[in-house]
Amino acid sequence: DAKTTQPNSMESNEEEPVHLPCNHSTISGTDYIHWYRQLPSQGPEYVIHGLTSNVNNRMASLAIAEDRKSSTLILHRATLRDAAVYYCILRAPNAGGTSYGKLTFGQGTILTVHP
Amino acid sequence: KAGVTQTPRYLIKTRGQQVTLSCSPISGHRSVSWYQQTPGQGLQFLFEYFSETQRNKGNFPGRFSGRQFSNSRSEMNVSTLELGDSALYLCASSLAGEPDTQYFGPGTRLTVL
Repeated sequence: DAKTTQPNSMESNEEEPVHLPCNHSTISGTDYIHWYRQLPSQGPEYVIHGLTSNVNNRMASLAIAEDRKSSTLILHRATLRDAAVYYCILRAPNAGGTSYGKLTFGQGTILTVHP
Repeated sequence: KAGVTQTPRYLIKTRGQQVTLSCSPISGHRSVSWYQQTPGQGLQFLFEYFSETQRNKGNFPGRFSGRQFSNSRSEMNVSTLELGDSALYLCASSLAGEPDTQYFGPGTRLTVL
């Protein structure tokens, strides 16, 4: 799996936007960019994913650089419930073999949200 | 739709014992993946099952094994427990495992004394 690099930690204030960066300079043309987050004492949960175009859902937006070597997860208005570890993960479709069912988690970014 | 369930939620064992953890995937999901999470190593992939077959395996010793039943429920077993096996064990289900969104359970916290 291609490697991702994220800041160890970030801080935000409640109700402000948060931009979580991820660098993936060795991404291949078919790798999808996935974001998961893990709230305290819970299993990870899916946030969003994309390939080339920017993506929006009810939880967040994903902005993907034109060269795809970086991406940014955007939380439009952070709440205290958004305090979590955020993971940026690359996934190759239909790679088979050692790719089946496997997410490769890095250390992620610990997001702290201040009231 | 009910989420992924894992039982038990907490478990305390002693060194040398064995343990079996259970995971019930979301209805209709045929792929179940297992992960180990520790403070030092983070989240690491153990193995993945699809239609009762192990399709992928992480870099863990043979003491870690698993299986999947015809209803897609899965179990993982750890034999001859070591102190270092203390961890949060997470399972995740997805429709086909490649490269679907994975839905995680709450985990089983295993403590080995």
